[in-house]
Amino acid sequence: SQQGEEDPQALSIQEGENATMNCSYKTSINNLQWYRQNSGRGLVHLILIRSNEREKHSGRLRVTLDTSKKSSSLLITASRAADTASYFCATSQGGGSYIPTFGRGTSLIVHP
Amino acid sequence: DTAVSQTPKYLVTQMGNDKSIKCEQNLGHDTMYWYKQDSKKFLKIMFSYNNKELIINETVPNRFSPKSPDKAHLNLHINSLELGDSAVYFCASSPWDRAYYGYTFGSGTRLTVV
Repeated sequence: SQQGEEDPQALSIQEGENATMNCSYKTSINNLQWYRQNSGRGLVHLILIRSNEREKHSGRLRVTLDTSKKSSSLLITASRAADTASYFCATSQGGGSYIPTFGRGTSLIVHP
Repeated sequence: DTAVSQTPKYLVTQMGNDKSIKCEQNLGHDTMYWYKQDSKKFLKIMFSYNNKELIINETVPNRFSPKSPDKAHLNLHINSLELGDSAVYFCASSPWDRAYYGYTFGSGTRLTVV
């Protein structure tokens, strides 16, 4: 099964800066999702972007999808200490399945 | 108010024991899942049930047996626990139309086999 791979594995920034995380995948997808996981907690769904969409926004989050490059990016603008978490991308292939396959995540630390 | 709730949150047990993890969702979703997250945070799908019927069964040892008494509950029973079963297990749910909706996850059950 295909798997998204996030890059970088770890990212450390100061509060107020922007954070960009990337996700690459190998085969065609139906949709791509981004999730956040705070330490010791479950995953929280952030944004789902379908294969025919190029960009989506939600508050301070901006997700782009480039199906020709098989990649997506998650931008968090004006980051806050509370954004410290691991961020995962998950790809769904469709074809009746749509079970998202997760990458290993990007660990983001935002310093106050 | 918890949307997807798992119990217990922590489980420490000896090798060879049998244990169960319970999951309940109050979102009215049709589909429920079990994921395993290893120590490197890699999340792997184990099972998926839709309306009490098994639809996905990934390569998981048959010591793991899911049970869905109704569409709001999906329990995971593990027989003859091994050290390698130590991980965090997440239950999740979603509407059947998964092309458009993300998943709602529980807070996880940290299983430690000693």
